[in-house]
Amino acid sequence: SQQGEEDPQALSIQEGENATMNCSYKTSINNLQWYRQNSGRGLVHLILIRSNEREKHSGRLRVTLDTSKKSSSLLITASRAADTASYFCATDLPSGSARQLTFGSGTQLTVLP
Amino acid sequence: DSGVTQTPKHLITATGQRVTLRCSPRSGDLSVYWYQQSLDQGLQFLIQYYNGEERAKGNILERFSAQQFPDLHSELNLSSLELGDSALYFCASSASWGGEQFFGPGTRLTVL
Repeated sequence: SQQGEEDPQALSIQEGENATMNCSYKTSINNLQWYRQNSGRGLVHLILIRSNEREKHSGRLRVTLDTSKKSSSLLITASRAADTASYFCATDLPSGSARQLTFGSGTQLTVLP
Repeated sequence: DSGVTQTPKHLITATGQRVTLRCSPRSGDLSVYWYQQSLDQGLQFLIQYYNGEERAKGNILERFSAQQFPDLHSELNLSSLELGDSALYFCASSASWGGEQFFGPGTRLTVL
């Protein structure tokens, strides 16, 4: 099964509202990353949070990480129609094991105008 | 534009055939990753190369192979193709392990 699992699978909100997506994972990580994918396109990196960080901001994005609960959340504030996309969390495993990103199944966000 | 290029954009072929997907990483990036994205399996890591050497292997089938050349471009070879191999294949590159990855636009493979 996937290392990271996003919740909810799909989210539909009105423009201007905030969107929150959650990610849970199973093993210790080096960092956790969030990516965005527009339909059929390549993924775009949004933000990286290291295992020793608890919160990070980038523009309208806020990411939190709780390593004790093995979970992360992505908050998009004041959403826009252009934010409509799939959002994936990806976990990077610690040194010593295979350094690869493991992606979750994604949250499909629809922002209605 | 991520700076990662992939060719071809679309590929339609028949079962049993062999295809080669090509990827050029961002200038200066030594790591190249290959992923497969399908509706039922999601985004699956296949393999990683770093400066010409294989560094990590994921859910890559024995029918698939990859290599990274001295100029750092990479090729993913898929052989004895099956209907289930139809998917989007992404290449990504990064400057360092475990950091931000830059994805190419993908190659959409359709096996008929």
